Amino acid sequence: TQLLEQSPQFLSIQEGENLTVYCNSSSVFSSLQWYRQEPGEGPVLLVTVVTGGEVKKLKRLTFQFGDARKDSSLHITAAQPGDTGLYLCAGGESGGSNYKLTFGKGTLLTVNP
Amino acid sequence: NAGVTQTPKFRILKIGQSMTLQCAQDMNHNYMYWYRQDPGMGLKLIYYSVGAGITDKGEVPNGYNVSRSTTEDFPLRLELAAPSQTSVYFCASSTGYEQYFGPGTRLTVT
Repeated sequence: TQLLEQSPQFLSIQEGENLTVYCNSSSVFSSLQWYRQEPGEGPVLLVTVVTGGEVKKLKRLTFQFGDARKDSSLHITAAQPGDTGLYLCAGGESGGSNYKLTFGKGTLLTVNP
Repeated sequence: NAGVTQTPKFRILKIGQSMTLQCAQDMNHNYMYWYRQDPGMGLKLIYYSVGAGITDKGEVPNGYNVSRSTTEDFPLRLELAAPSQTSVYFCASSTGYEQYFGPGTRLTVT
């Protein structure tokens, strides 16, 4: 069974601060996805990274996939209250079964005005 | 496109009752999934389907059943509801890569 550990579990910061959340595993994944979930709603896909060492930017969000494809990080610059939510990472199984994802437990981010 | 729709949004069941959670997608996706989400536990895969007529167990299938007679619909059946099945249930669909989630069904079993 492939496991994904996310840290920190909870993060509360002030508007304008920077932050990084992590997603780590001892297993290799074929792809790594990040989702954001707001209260009472389903997760929404933010980004997919597939190549070891890949970096993707989405406005103030920067996503990185580790060289060995076992870990990933999400960095938010100048956080805003609208960034508040549960951030979930999910790994696609190595070996071609990309259609099945393993989810981490998430990082609950609160950005205070 | 409506995307992925789920009904009902909320439901309270008594122990031992049965119910079906409905899920439909209009994106012509082959892959569909059912997850449950408990506080602080992320998403656990219950069942999934790679196409009409084909289903398979996920990580936590006990107490649940599914069927997939059409590409669009993927209902989840709970037989003999137990308090341990109190959770938020999410249906998702995919082309085989990125998943699109419905709004969820909050189920309480008392």
